[in-house]
Amino acid sequence: ETGVTQSPTHLIKTRGQQVTLRCSSQSGHNTVSWYQQALGQGPQFIFQYYREEENGRGNFPPRFSGLQFPNYSSELNVNALELDDSALYLCASSLDRGLYGYTFGSGTRLTVV
Amino acid sequence: DQQVKQNSPSLSVQEGRISILNCDYTNSMFDYFLWYKKYPAEGPTFLISISSIKDKNEDGRFTVFLNKSAKHLSLHIVPSQPGDSAVYFCAAAAQGGSEKLVFGKGMKLTVNP
Repeated sequence: ETGVTQSPTHLIKTRGQQVTLRCSSQSGHNTVSWYQQALGQGPQFIFQYYREEENGRGNFPPRFSGLQFPNYSSELNVNALELDDSALYLCASSLDRGLYGYTFGSGTRLTVV
Repeated sequence: DQQVKQNSPSLSVQEGRISILNCDYTNSMFDYFLWYKKYPAEGPTFLISISSIKDKNEDGRFTVFLNKSAKHLSLHIVPSQPGDSAVYFCAAAAQGGSEKLVFGKGMKLTVNP
């Protein structure tokens, strides 16, 4: 059983650029949630995808968008990057939107300069 | 508006003693609570959870207590071990909708040999 894998592990982008982060869900899981963890803060919910549909969104602007594929892997896209977007981006997968077995990946560290 | 609060940023205890980590919440809709442990360069790892229908849940050295009237929960680790040194996050959820987790800021636990 493979866990949640995220790529890349680290990324440096320039303000105004666009970025795509990727997440492969744990085997058997059909739900993916994305979180942003700024330095010294707890993870903050960005949005969740269940069976390729968005199933809830946190307080993030529309330039944060996502996608879930038929194999339940997911992408997080951020347009027009701002310095405050610098953070650790975590992906978590689970089954049927539930919290049981909610498993996090190691994250992508994004630095915007 | 912090709905989940971990007011102490750090705690240091001696190996073999008890570690008590506290968490307060403000949202009465929360009915499921979790503790996660996070090592550097890794994603949060699930530790223990409790439903609002219970006031205590135990798993080996870890016990979580929930006081609904005070909107307070605590994690007890007995006995503490050096390998428990990590950042601990309290998280809460209101089940039945988008299963997002609301996290506290975390507390760094250091267990000294």
